[in-house]
Amino acid sequence: GAGVSQTPSNKVTEKGKYVELRCDPISGHTALYWYRQSLGQGPEFLIYFQGTGAADDSGLPNDRFFAVRPEGSVSTLKIQRTERGDSAVYLCASRLAGEDEQFFGPGTRLTVL
Amino acid sequence: QKEVEQNSGPLSVPEGAIASLNCTYSDRGSQSFFWYRQYSGKSPELIMSIYSNGDKEDGRFTAQLNKASQYVSLLIRDSQPSDSATYLCAVNIGSGYALNFGKGTSLLVTP
Repeated sequence: GAGVSQTPSNKVTEKGKYVELRCDPISGHTALYWYRQSLGQGPEFLIYFQGTGAADDSGLPNDRFFAVRPEGSVSTLKIQRTERGDSAVYLCASRLAGEDEQFFGPGTRLTVL
Repeated sequence: QKEVEQNSGPLSVPEGAIASLNCTYSDRGSQSFFWYRQYSGKSPELIMSIYSNGDKEDGRFTAQLNKASQYVSLLIRDSQPSDSATYLCAVNIGSGYALNFGKGTSLLVTP
């Protein structure tokens, strides 16, 4: 079956602009996670959704970052007033209820100029 | 700060040899342990999960877990050049929780 999909695959924006990154989880997966990965680092947790609600948003670095999952499927990560330090690969993962394993999408590479 | 530590490498092994990748973690409450493979420019791909002390084998891969020592390892037998990648160790305290990743170990398998 289809895996996790993320769009766009690449996003280049200017400092101060607003961006939206989209994640479409594996069909039937109720849990959805956002991570970001900088060069030479492991993925770092941002936010976890169980269904429509954010069960844990402790990894969001500041209030410029926000994510939604209004219908319990597709999620959008929103970044306001982007900064050069936001440049990274943003990864989405999903998990089936009752299971432990998380499966990652291909990621969105965000570059803030 | 709950840490997951890996040697960054690169670890270089000849084709056909056994590659041994190691990971230590600081949170004694950790329950689930995963190994992901990440090729350059790609996203992490889950290759092994382990939840109980001991060994778990899947094809050429064996994961080993020792909770008392807070240590998890991955053995790759008969290493192939296609195994050259970064291997990420990830840990969490349960299925409803985020994964805590190490920085990864770069593996190079030379023909």
